[in-house]
Amino acid sequence: EDKVVQSPLSLVVHEGDTVTLNCSYEVTNFRSLLWYKQEKKAPTFLFMLTSSGIEKKSGRLSSILDKKELFSILNITATQTGDSAVYLCAVKDAGGTSYGKLTFGQGTILTVHP
Amino acid sequence: DAGITQSPRHKVTETGTPVTLRCHQTENHRYMYWYRQDPGHGLRLIHYSYGVKDTDKGEVSDGYSVSRSKTEDFLLTLESATSSQTSVYFCAMGRGVEDTQYFGPGTRLTVL
Repeated sequence: EDKVVQSPLSLVVHEGDTVTLNCSYEVTNFRSLLWYKQEKKAPTFLFMLTSSGIEKKSGRLSSILDKKELFSILNITATQTGDSAVYLCAVKDAGGTSYGKLTFGQGTILTVHP
Repeated sequence: DAGITQSPRHKVTETGTPVTLRCHQTENHRYMYWYRQDPGHGLRLIHYSYGVKDTDKGEVSDGYSVSRSKTEDFLLTLESATSSQTSVYFCAMGRGVEDTQYFGPGTRLTVL
């Protein structure tokens, strides 16, 4: 059974801080790892990672994957109150009849105070 | 994502009644998915579809059935709702197995 574990489960910081969110996984047939941001509504897509060591970057957010150690990190620099959200990590299965099934972690609740 | 909608957005029903949730997409995506989201469990896959009339079970499929008679519509049915099915239900779509999944706005279902 595929498994995704995120840490920490919650995090409280002040504006301007840098945060690192962690995602570790166990999956039989790894295809990709995805990060989503959820703000009281539908999850919105941030990054999809398929190769180790290649950083994906979008503004103040960046992410990297380590397929040897089976984890990914999501970094947010110079945090803003608008970054407050639940950050979800998911792993896509490549095998058999899974047809790109996503297995999600529990999420990290990030709260950014002014 | 504006190309995927869900209806109803909120529903309150009683134990034992049938409930159908609808997901509609305008992007002509092949793959569609139903998830439920509960505190402490994250998002869990209920059922998915890889084409018209082609569906399969996810990890929490007991008590749920789905149908896909057209590319754009994916229906989730609770034949006899139970209180344990109180949850927020999200539909998602994807172009292919390699693609990311894009989520609908969600339906909050309460079973009394």
